[in-house]
Order: sequence, then C-alpha cells, then structure tokens
Amino acid sequence: KAGVTQTPRYLIKTRGQQVTLSCSPISGHRSVSWYQQTPGQGLQFLFEYFSETQRNKGNFPGRFSGRQFSNSRSEMNVSTLELGDSALYLCASSLEQGRSDEQFFGPGTRLTVL
Amino acid sequence: GESVGLHLPTLSVQEGDNSIINCAYSNSASDYFIWYKQESGKGPQFIIDIRSNMDKRQGQRVTVLLNKTVKHLSLQIAATQPGDSAVYFCAEKEETSGSRLTFGEGTQLTVNP
Repeated sequence: KAGVTQTPRYLIKTRGQQVTLSCSPISGHRSVSWYQQTPGQGLQFLFEYFSETQRNKGNFPGRFSGRQFSNSRSEMNVSTLELGDSALYLCASSLEQGRSDEQFFGPGTRLTVL
Repeated sequence: GESVGLHLPTLSVQEGDNSIINCAYSNSASDYFIWYKQESGKGPQFIIDIRSNMDKRQGQRVTVLLNKTVKHLSLQIAATQPGDSAVYFCAEKEETSGSRLTFGEGTQLTVNP
C-alpha cells in the first residue's frame, strides 16, 4: 500500500508570492491534516479536512488555506508569502476523523521563502 | 513528592543501553497520546500510542508510560540501536477534536556505537 505522498518535495519562492502544496493520502483514508514544522515553533497544526470539509483549524492567519477533493486528495495554499513561512509542511492522513486511529505522515514539502 | 522526568532536547546513549525520553503535556482533557520518531528528511513515524484509561503500554522494544496526575508521558526504548537515532516527539489529542494533534518539543536521540 502506497504511503502518503506530497508534492513537490522542495520549493523556493520569494516574498509576496503564493504557493500551492499537494497531498495524496493513503488509499481509503478520508481525513487529511496539515502541519507546519519549524526549528523555533516545532510542529504546529494548520487544519484538518474530512469528506471535503474543514473540521479543525489551527491558529494561523487567513493567508493559509486548504481544500480537499472528492478523492480525499488535499491541497494547501499560502498567499503573500513571508520569510517566516519557510518551513517543512507535513501532511498526515488517517482512516476516520474523530477516532484514535493512527495518522500516517508524508515526507513533507520543504518551502524556502527568500 | 513524586519525581517527574525532565524533558531534554538531546539525549546521547551507548548502543545496547536503555533510553528514556520524557514529555510533559499541557491539556488535561487530552485522552490519547502518541510517540513519533522523525528521521532526517522524513515525516514523523508512529511508534506507539496509549489511551488515557491506561498507564502503561508495551510494544516491540518500546514502552510508553502515562502519568495523568502530573501530565507526564515517557518513552522507554530497550537495547537502543544506532537505527534508533532520530528526533522523538510526543503528541496529545482529544478524541472530540478530530485528528488534531498537539506536539511536544522533540528530543534528539543519538546512539553511539
């Protein structure tokens, strides 16, 4: 069974640009969550999608948004990039939202903002 | 009073020794806890989990201990191997909060051969 895949793996952007990251969950998984990982703040929850609906949102500005498609694939978008948005963006999928089942993480997308 | 292990950002052990990694969690409403291992260039990988109605759970070479009184979690790795070198994170979750995880600070474990 293929794991969680994220594309692209690496991105370099400049301030003010926008970026879209993609996540394909494990087949059959309906919940997709996004996290930002930085050396200073650690792993922070961005948002979670289940059945194309955002079910949870972390404390990030409105520049961060996401969506989920009918096949459970998810995208997140960051507009008007700032230097502080440089981070590893991780996607995790699980079988069903609201249960204590295992979340599987992808390898992440490393975003560098210059 | 009861002694609680401190969180250390780094831990260095000899191959074959037992390792203990500590974590303090903040939300008394959390009822599910997970330990993740993250190797360089990879996403976090599930190691072991425990629900709040338990205080100990064992896996293969790993044991998780939960002390709800002092909101403390620990991961014990037996016979640590070089392949165990990684950053270890604890995470907590409320079952009513969907899949949202709150991560603790990581501990970089280095296993010396």
